[in-house]
Amino acid sequence: NAGVTQTPKFQVLKTGQSMTLQCAQDMNHEYMSWYRQDPGMGLRLIHYSVGAGITDQGEVPNGYNVSRSTTEDFPLRLLSAAPSQTSVYFCASSLAGTANSPLHFGNGTRLTVT
Amino acid sequence: AQKVTQAQTEISVVEKEDVTLDCVYETRDTTYYLFWYKQPPSGELVFLIRRNSFDEQNEISGRYSWNFQKSTSSFNFTITASQVVDSAVYFCALSGGIQGAQKLVFGQGTRLTINP
Repeated sequence: NAGVTQTPKFQVLKTGQSMTLQCAQDMNHEYMSWYRQDPGMGLRLIHYSVGAGITDQGEVPNGYNVSRSTTEDFPLRLLSAAPSQTSVYFCASSLAGTANSPLHFGNGTRLTVT
Repeated sequence: AQKVTQAQTEISVVEKEDVTLDCVYETRDTTYYLFWYKQPPSGELVFLIRRNSFDEQNEISGRYSWNFQKSTSSFNFTITASQVVDSAVYFCALSGGIQGAQKLVFGQGTRLTINP
């Protein structure tokens, strides 16, 4: 059981480049989300999805796009990378509609924008 | 607005000492959930515990214990007889209401170092 899989693990971009961070889960979880982790700030919610075809913004959505065409996948797109987006990105999933399901996190993607 | 404060940025203790990590939260929701996650040096996030706002019972799991007090809006985490493997960053998190149960607000984290 792979859980939540994020690719790539590391990425270096130049300012203005675009890329997609991939996230896939094999637990049939309805709920998926993206967080970014910055030193001294904990993790902050970027976007989330409660099911295929449904997405919504979190606390820090600017500069990021998401879509949810399948239950399994929830990619995060950076259309024009900026140095402020240098961070560690975590994808998470859980069962929706129940408060008893904790978030399961992927292992993270470390992104550097130069 | 919801907020989680972990005032201790870094803690360093000698192995076998007991250590308590503080977590204070703010929310207007009557139903909410509190969590602790561990992030070891390898970087992954490991779920430790979840508590709902209606359950103020303290919980003990081996060397770990959690003290939830609604009166002080605190959800503190104690490690008894600490070990080097406990060295990690620990995050306290909050989610509010039934609909927002999976949208976590995290504290800044406490870096715990256990020295041999």
